[in-house]
Amino acid sequence: SQTIHQWPATLVQPVGSPLSLECTVEGTSNPNLYWYRQAAGRGLQLLFYSVGIGQISSEVPQNLSASRPQDRQFILSSKKLLLSDSGFYLCAWSAGTGRTEPQHFGDGTRLSIL
Amino acid sequence: RKEVEQDPGPFNVPEGATVAFNCTYSNSASQSFFWYRQDCRKEPKLLMSVYSSGNEDGRFTAQLNRASQYISLLIRDSKLSDSATYLCVVNERNSGYALNFGKGTSLLVTP
Repeated sequence: SQTIHQWPATLVQPVGSPLSLECTVEGTSNPNLYWYRQAAGRGLQLLFYSVGIGQISSEVPQNLSASRPQDRQFILSSKKLLLSDSGFYLCAWSAGTGRTEPQHFGDGTRLSIL
Repeated sequence: RKEVEQDPGPFNVPEGATVAFNCTYSNSASQSFFWYRQDCRKEPKLLMSVYSSGNEDGRFTAQLNRASQYISLLIRDSKLSDSATYLCVVNERNSGYALNFGKGTSLLVTP
């Protein structure tokens, strides 16, 4: 069966520091991969999605970036964090079958910026 | 980005009650629909897909009205463990088949 791993679970970072969140998927190949952010009291906001290695699409202009160096690995990064980057970051995968499949989420990373 | 609208609630219902959630979406080209459940400070989990003819999974029934761009979720015989936020989700074809999430409806089932 497929599993998705996301780490770390919790992170506290100072303003201006860099960020790297990692997500890996097991048990499937060529998945679609997604990064979402959920700010307190708000809905899920799609940040990036990827349909293949090296293919990244950005949904919202910001100081974050994403990379997909391997088929089942998705990384969210920032060079300098802002206070507004605080939130619950979720990685998700779906089958890359060419039609809309439900997405399955990792446990999430709760990021606090001080 | 097209919108998915839900009544935020909270819905407070006693155990055993029947409760219904509604959702509207603005993108008429949407093709796939889902309900997710999110517990406090946890990740969303797929509850059920929503099919055009309507579908049922145990105590849960989902309905889709494409003409009105309206989706519903009915929960019968509510359990305490049903307390959570329920997210209405619609596909966005021009985003790598990414999904557009509503902000969720909060449900609290009380003894």
